[in-house]
Amino acid sequence: QQQVKQSPQSLIVQKGGISIINCAYENTAFDYFPWYQQFPGKGPALLIAIRPDVSEKKEGRFTISFNKSAKQFSLHIMDSQPGDSATYFCAARSNTGKLIFGQGTTLQVKP
Amino acid sequence: GAGVSQSPSNKVTEKGKDVELRCDPISGHTALYWYRQSLGQGLEFLIYFQGNSAPDKSGLPSDRFSAERTGGSVSTLTIQRTQQEDSAVYLCASSFVNDEQYFGPGTRLTVT
Repeated sequence: QQQVKQSPQSLIVQKGGISIINCAYENTAFDYFPWYQQFPGKGPALLIAIRPDVSEKKEGRFTISFNKSAKQFSLHIMDSQPGDSATYFCAARSNTGKLIFGQGTTLQVKP
Repeated sequence: GAGVSQSPSNKVTEKGKDVELRCDPISGHTALYWYRQSLGQGLEFLIYFQGNSAPDKSGLPSDRFSAERTGGSVSTLTIQRTQQEDSAVYLCASSFVNDEQYFGPGTRLTVT
């Protein structure tokens, strides 16, 4: 199976709160799991990524948690800011190099 | 340096016409990808070029869609006999082998 399932579809968080987006995959051959951030009218931009031999990766306010046995990974945005309001996509890379994307989560951070 | 560029940024065409979308990848990147993003949807893989290898066309939705990459650099995605369901944002990305993919701003295609 090549699917990546992402939830929730939309998320509203107060400024300073924690935003959590979850993804699940089925194909155990995926070897790289990036998160992309997309602003309206722009292409997606890599935010943070993790490989399956690592359980957690943190970059500033952004953390990926990875559970290999459950085939799930999540993005946590700490101290969420209005400037974080965007659409977030998780993805998984197949052994051929192509990315399989989740359906996206629209995040709104209220001031 | 320059990022991935795509042209045109917007394209409106009549149903049944052919369209060509262009992607200029980052210089030196050997891999080039095309994705499609329909309104409110995730990104759907279309086709992947890697060096001189045969492209992975497994994501092309129909034989109306084709793509080529000339000289290992610029790529053109062609949609023949466009249909209204082809309306979407077409995104191009490039990378080194098995490395981070950098996306262009996309071409918004509207078929009327």
